[in-house]
Amino acid sequence: GQQVMQIPQYQHVQEGEDFTTYCNSSTTLSNIQWYKQRPGGHPVFLIQLVKSGEVKKQKRLTFQFGEAKKNSSLHITATQTTDVGTYFCAGNFMEYGNKLVFGAGTILRVKS
Amino acid sequence: NAGVTQTPKFQVLKTGQSMTLQCAQDMNHEYMSWYRQDPGMGLRLIHYSVGAGITDQGEVPNGYNVSRSTTEDFPLRLLSAAPSQTSVYFCASSQNFRVQYFGPGTRLTVT
Repeated sequence: GQQVMQIPQYQHVQEGEDFTTYCNSSTTLSNIQWYKQRPGGHPVFLIQLVKSGEVKKQKRLTFQFGEAKKNSSLHITATQTTDVGTYFCAGNFMEYGNKLVFGAGTILRVKS
Repeated sequence: NAGVTQTPKFQVLKTGQSMTLQCAQDMNHEYMSWYRQDPGMGLRLIHYSVGAGITDQGEVPNGYNVSRSTTEDFPLRLLSAAPSQTSVYFCASSQNFRVQYFGPGTRLTVT
């Protein structure tokens, strides 16, 4: 079936360290989105990547979409306590009527 | 704009009871979806709608019903609650089934 695998499941970093979460699909995606969910909150849209090899930045966050449009990453430089939460990727599958599938999420904890 | 609203915020049900989770959006989005979130499982699609009068099943539809009589509203009905339906439920709307705008969620416990 259509699955988006996301790793790691959990990451605990010291404030100031970098953090990366990865998403992989076995089939080509038409686009990928990233969401952030604060503890006790709801997922909030961060960004959408559409083009092969695309890289977008939002302040300390860098998002990449792979050349084959099957993988993506979110990198946070110099984490802060405000970065705490769960980061989800979600991909639309070209071959399956643009079906949207979420990864399981990466929980980020930051020690100050 | 309120965006996507959900009621109630919290609910406790006994096994076998039924209830309706309400969802409304004021963004005139055609697409609306219901997800459940369980630890380690991410967000799983229960049902979705591509417009008023049109609904379809997602990944985990069993035990749930939906209807879409207006563009704004997309209620989720639990027919006979089971402990396995203890979860956090999110409603979402979107223009094109891509970028999802989520409501605040309903935390449901079934005892």
